[in-house]
Amino acid sequence: NAGVTQTPKFQVLKTGQSMTLQCAQDMNHNSMYWYRQDPGMGLRLIYYSASEGTTDKGEVPNGYNVSRLNKREFSLRLESAAPSQTSVYFCASRKNTNQPQHFGDGTRLSIL
Amino acid sequence: RKEVEQDPGPFNVPEGATVAFNCTYSNSASQSFFWYRQDCRKEPKLLMSVYSSGNEDGRFTAQLNRASQYISLLIRDSKLSDSATYLCVVNGRRDSSYKLIFGSGTRLLVRP
Repeated sequence: NAGVTQTPKFQVLKTGQSMTLQCAQDMNHNSMYWYRQDPGMGLRLIYYSASEGTTDKGEVPNGYNVSRLNKREFSLRLESAAPSQTSVYFCASRKNTNQPQHFGDGTRLSIL
Repeated sequence: RKEVEQDPGPFNVPEGATVAFNCTYSNSASQSFFWYRQDCRKEPKLLMSVYSSGNEDGRFTAQLNRASQYISLLIRDSKLSDSATYLCVVNGRRDSSYKLIFGSGTRLLVRP
């Protein structure tokens, strides 16, 4: 039972490069989320998808785009990476609105 | 005022001690509540849901006080392996959708 799977686990980019972070869940969850966590800080919501076919901005959406490809997959794209986007990115999913979220083990992204 | 507030700590306790964390939330319409645990540079993991009547899971007890809008987590007989950051999470309705709001976390250090 894989749960939430994120790829890649580590990535180093140069400023201006583009990159897509992949996330897939096998729990038949309806909602999916992307967060970033900077060192010593809390989680900040970037984008979320309440259900297949919908996406909405979270707290810090600037510089990112998302695609809910199907019920299983939710990708996060950086079109032109900036050093300020160096962070750990977590994907999460949950079944419905009163349920807790389940997290992937993160993508550690460094932008030089 | 933050929607979910926690004392950042760190709480530094000896093995075997009992320690309690509190968390306050501002949205009275919040409907479900959770405690997560996050180890350094790892993903948050669900520790327990918090129910109105209070609930216990082994050495961990969670309580909810809706009137005062706070939740608590009590850890008895602390183990070295309990050292982590504990995240208070509140699910509430905002902008026509339900979102999980994460506190910034309380850091616990259990010493031998």
